[in-house]
Amino acid sequence: GNSVTQMEGPVTLSEEAFLTINCTYTATGYPSLFWYVQYPGEGLQLLLKATKADDKGSNKGFEATYRKETTSFHLEKGSVQVSDSAVYFCALSLDTGGFKTIFGAGTRLFVKA
Amino acid sequence: SAVISQKPSRDICQRGTSLTIQCQVDSQVTMMFWYRQQPGQSLTLIATANQGSEATYESGFVIDKFPISRPNLTFSTLTVSNMSPEDSSIYLCSGEKVPGETQYFGPGTRLLVL
Repeated sequence: GNSVTQMEGPVTLSEEAFLTINCTYTATGYPSLFWYVQYPGEGLQLLLKATKADDKGSNKGFEATYRKETTSFHLEKGSVQVSDSAVYFCALSLDTGGFKTIFGAGTRLFVKA
Repeated sequence: SAVISQKPSRDICQRGTSLTIQCQVDSQVTMMFWYRQQPGQSLTLIATANQGSEATYESGFVIDKFPISRPNLTFSTLTVSNMSPEDSSIYLCSGEKVPGETQYFGPGTRLLVL
């Protein structure tokens, strides 16, 4: 079936460190891929997305590249800030006779000053 | 984009009672969804709210327990019926303008059932 697997957290980094959160997917077809972020006490909001192979989504210094050959969509940021502390969800959307979005388990990120 | 609000933001309820959560979008959306999120966990889709017709429920969720209404393209309600402590969770509403594209989420309703 269709699924999303992302690295377990929590991830704890110092400010200005490099961030990678791994995400791989299984899908029957060609999904769109998303990263959502959830700040404490809030709902999810879109961080970035990519709709086809080799597309790179980027926003607020975060990047992720749609890799069809490795079925991956890893999230990266070169220099994290304390304000990036949140939970990050990888997700895919696929038309299975109606679009469904499938979310990963989420990865909590703590950034220390 | 779309801005989604939910009411109430939180509530504490007694077992056996029901709570209705409202979801309001500031512009028309094609699809609306209701999710449940246990603390520290991912989202579980409860149902897709269909405008003017019955909601489409995911496996493990039934209309008698979670009746949903969607009278128009900007509003939906979810009722959690005959509540038990196991229903304590965060309930999130979301909307899509284009199917399969970005979902816009409300801030969630935090429910505690005693």
